[in-house]
Amino acid sequence: DAGVIQSPRHEVTEMGQEVTLRCKPISGHDYLFWYRQTMMRGLELLIYFNNNVPIDDSGMPEDRFSAKMPNASFSTLKIQPSEPRDSAVYFCASSWGGSVYGYTFGSGTRLTVV
Amino acid sequence: AQSVTQLDSQVPVFEEAPVELRCNYSSSVSVYLFWYVQYPNQGLQLLLKYLSGSTLVESINGFEAEFNKSQTSFHLRKPSVHISDTAEYFCAVTKATSYDKVIFGPGTSLSVIP
Repeated sequence: DAGVIQSPRHEVTEMGQEVTLRCKPISGHDYLFWYRQTMMRGLELLIYFNNNVPIDDSGMPEDRFSAKMPNASFSTLKIQPSEPRDSAVYFCASSWGGSVYGYTFGSGTRLTVV
Repeated sequence: AQSVTQLDSQVPVFEEAPVELRCNYSSSVSVYLFWYVQYPNQGLQLLLKYLSGSTLVESINGFEAEFNKSQTSFHLRKPSVHISDTAEYFCAVTKATSYDKVIFGPGTSLSVIP
């Protein structure tokens, strides 16, 4: 298995532009998580899905952020419009059966908004 | 709600010396505990976990952690570190009674000095 695949690895965009981050979870995993990592705030859970259904989006910072999971093998995190304070590393992770067996993280997308 | 404290943000240690990374948690219910490691420019990887049973758990690369319920701690130890152990280490907790999101600590940066 290739693991959790995220694209792009790096994204530089101008303030106000739309940004879409993509994630392919491990086949067979039924949970998918989006995290944001910054020096100031550490790892923050933005949203998670179970069987493609959003369960908890309380960590989504504001309406500019949205996430979808149209099927078991694909998820997107969209920021529209982007702002410089959105600059961070965004991680996608997946797991089977919740947290008991641990999460598998992707390599992350480093987003820079200028 | 659960919370995690990692008392040391940075730990420098000489190669082949022992190391302990401290983790304390807060919870009113039974918990599962995890240590994750993040190497530079990579996602987090599960290092070891405590679910139940023996309070001492080990990883394949020589780390061990001991669950201490009375002290609400889950400290990570290694008797002899290598340069390759240089990374960020995250302690994490989740409720054991039902699925809930994993709460990550702020991380400890381990720097191994040659």
